[in-house]
Amino acid sequence: SQQGEEDPQALSIQEGENATMNCSYKTSINNLQWYRQNSGRGLVHLILIRSNEREKHSGRLRVTLDTSKKSSSLLITASRAADTASYFCATVSGGSNYKLTFGKGTLLTVNP
Amino acid sequence: NAGVTQTPKFRVLKTGQSMTLLCAQDMNHEYMYWYRQDPGMGLRLIHYSVGEGTTAKGEVPDGYNVSRLKKQNFLLGLESAAPSQTSVYFCASSRTDPGADQPQHFGDGTRLSIL
Repeated sequence: SQQGEEDPQALSIQEGENATMNCSYKTSINNLQWYRQNSGRGLVHLILIRSNEREKHSGRLRVTLDTSKKSSSLLITASRAADTASYFCATVSGGSNYKLTFGKGTLLTVNP
Repeated sequence: NAGVTQTPKFRVLKTGQSMTLLCAQDMNHEYMYWYRQDPGMGLRLIHYSVGEGTTAKGEVPDGYNVSRLKKQNFLLGLESAAPSQTSVYFCASSRTDPGADQPQHFGDGTRLSIL
């Protein structure tokens, strides 16, 4: 069963704009992770946020976590054509520490 | 470092045939995973291993078997391929469990078609 659900399913923006993707989940979590997948490639880990953290930055990425709403957002600032990819959130739930549960992803297209 | 390497990259099988997908990692990771990715379904965990000689079932294990005889290798077997197993298969590894804030490292996938 899917734990994380990304929104929107697809997003198209112009180069230089910011892109925001959201993730909602259902049960309490230990941490939430964001991954990127370029077409025809494997997933690449972007950033991890722990359940006791509210915000985290890495370069042009900003992730927020609201455990009361069971939601997270990924913001990519000043997007580039190379950011075109699918983005997935994945959660680790208490009691299932071995397992990452992935959402269905957001397809981001950045137009030059 | 190569990271996680999957072989083969592409394969076409006939229904009923068997095959083995190989995953190798050079990061000395304890945990390894096999996922399948289908359109509109995201990634689903097939089997995983928490160390050499161990295996466990994930979310969708039916029709698959795995082995982890060496720490660096994780094999996924299809005993009798079915069209429903047409998918892209990803192997991943992590140093320890995801609950310990460990990211997973993925290979580039095996695209498998069952006719």
